[in-house]
Amino acid sequence: EVQLVESGGGLVQPGRSLRLSCGASGFTFSDFWMTWVRQAPGKGLEWVAHIKRDGSEKYVVDSVKGRFTISRDNAKSSLYLEMNSLRVEDTAVYYCVRGAYGPDYWGQGTRVTVSS
Amino acid sequence: DVVLTQSPLSLPVTLGQSASISCRSSQSLLYSDGNTYLSWFQQRPGQSPRRLIYEISKRYSGVPDRFSGSGSGTYFTLKISRVEAEDVGVYYCMQGAHWPRTFGQGTRVEIK
Repeated sequence: EVQLVESGGGLVQPGRSLRLSCGASGFTFSDFWMTWVRQAPGKGLEWVAHIKRDGSEKYVVDSVKGRFTISRDNAKSSLYLEMNSLRVEDTAVYYCVRGAYGPDYWGQGTRVTVSS
Repeated sequence: DVVLTQSPLSLPVTLGQSASISCRSSQSLLYSDGNTYLSWFQQRPGQSPRRLIYEISKRYSGVPDRFSGSGSGTYFTLKISRVEAEDVGVYYCMQGAHWPRTFGQGTRVEIK
């Protein structure tokens, strides 16, 4: 059974940093592109970033470029999102998602709240 | 960026009746590999999004055949036949052909 389990969310002040992690199981992690999608409270879905199977290609949406970094460790079947200089508008549930063209499995999400 | 416009944004339906959601793209979603990367997701209240349809009309394993997708190029449709109570939620289309990936605004399906 495919499982994606996010962790690392929480309450953080504006300007601070947070690192999200996603542990994957039930499939060969290194065979898949991986993605982070976020959902602000009461809003729709926003694609944040995705990364190629071997980590050689990364795409980050403009609204977080220069602040967020996506990475992966295939040996640990883990996906990461390093978030720096956090803003109030980054408040959202962050989902780890398998795939980048026709994504399929989603984690349960981890909540990030940026507030003073 | 590719804009996906869904309609309607709110869809009250009667149990057992059909429902249809459209998704119009500002650009063709036909990718260089010949596939059209248009997917549909369902998000039930309080849950993560769940995959329904990929590449316009391919249904994921475990998705009831009441759900069907159609379309081409820039216009796509999700149809739910014989709506059941468990179908309540928000439905999103998503394109995987262009960067950045984008989602439609979502269509809220509720029971009348």
